[in-house]
Order: sequence, then C-alpha cells, then structure tokens
Amino acid sequence: DIQMTQSPSSLSASVGDRVTITCRASQTIYNYLNWYQQKPGKAPKLLIYVASNLQSGVPSRFSGSGSGTDFTLTISNLQPEDFATYYCQQSYSAPQGFAFGPGTKVDI
Amino acid sequence: QVQLVESGGGVVRPGRSLRLSCAASGFIFSSLAMHWVRQAPGKGPEWLAVISSDGSAKYYADSVKGRFTISRDDSKNTVYMQMNSLRTEDTAVYYCARDPAAIPSGECDHWGQGTLVTVSS
Repeated sequence: DIQMTQSPSSLSASVGDRVTITCRASQTIYNYLNWYQQKPGKAPKLLIYVASNLQSGVPSRFSGSGSGTDFTLTISNLQPEDFATYYCQQSYSAPQGFAFGPGTKVDI
Repeated sequence: QVQLVESGGGVVRPGRSLRLSCAASGFIFSSLAMHWVRQAPGKGPEWLAVISSDGSAKYYADSVKGRFTISRDDSKNTVYMQMNSLRTEDTAVYYCARDPAAIPSGECDHWGQGTLVTVSS
C-alpha cells in the first residue's frame, strides 16, 4: 500500500504568516493528492484536489503544489479561522487504498 | 444542497455485527461513487472503502477487508457499511463521503456529520 507522511506534525504561527505543510508519498502518485482541513468535532473539508486545484468556496490564500512523491500546502496570510488540522490524502490508486497522511496541527 | 446523514452507530460487543447507513440528498446519488471513512478518538481519518456509482467496483482498506462490506441502494439514495467481527480497535466516528465522480477518484468533496461506533465488552 501507499504510505503517506506529513511534516511537521504541528506548528505555531501568527495571523498574517505564510505557512507551508509538506506531504510525502511512499511511491509516485503523480499529482493525485488532496488536502483537507479539519476543525475539532467536525468532518474534514476538502481544500485542494489533484495537487493544486482549489475546491469551490475555499479562500484563495490556500494553495497546493507538487507532483510525484512530494507535495506542499501553503496558507498565505494566515487567518484565525485557519486554526485546524490539515491532512493530505493520496487518490492515485483505489486498490491500494486512498490513504490519509497523519496530519499537521496548526496553532495560531 | 448536498446532505449526507449517517445512522446506525452505537455500542456493540467485540465479535458482533453492526450495519451503518448513510442517507443522501441534494444530488443525483446514482451518478456518484461513495466512501466510508472513520476516525478513532484523537487520531486522523482512516479511509475504509469506496463503491462506484453502479456498484460494480468496491475497494477496501486492508484493516477491514474481509470483515466490512460496502453496498448501496439507489432506490433509497443510501449507502451502507456492514461491519462484522467487530474489534475494540474499530471504535471510531464513521463518516460517509461523496466522491465527485462515478468511477472512484478518491476525492471526498462532501461529508456527513458522522456516527459513533463503540466496540466494548
């Protein structure tokens, strides 16, 4: 199966900061990588799909990049409502399971 | 608007079975694939299974393969997860999620509110 890792596991930032979260796949997944945001007690919310496509309704301060095995989620001009945990997910191979990464918690 | 409502969770003894349901509305259910994802307390999401729009393709995580079965009833706009031989480590909030494609793309663009399953003796 494809394994996903993320770094850092947590970070502290201030309003207005630029934050970058990294996700790595154990094998190439081309650009089949999604990013989700989850707030306490809520379901995850899709932010970015296929590495760099912004989901409808998601603020443009969120962006994604990368291909192959290495990907990044960038939040520019961090806002108080961005306090959350962020997960990557591979969507390259259904038979190998659409695994999520372990998450990155962003503290404001 | 898209709405997904899970039900069927509860407390169950190890080794027993439970069936979860997810009622969908606000979109053409029969046109899209559907996922089940769970989240154990304090942990990240764990993808479990997906079923294609026509039900012909089903894929599972290794952790539930052979114990859990995903199915759908398009006449009821509902996706199910039959969970057998439950273990204490299956304790989690279980979410259903919509895939924006007929053939599973892996993306989960809408989620339900979740239903809690507790496996305990």
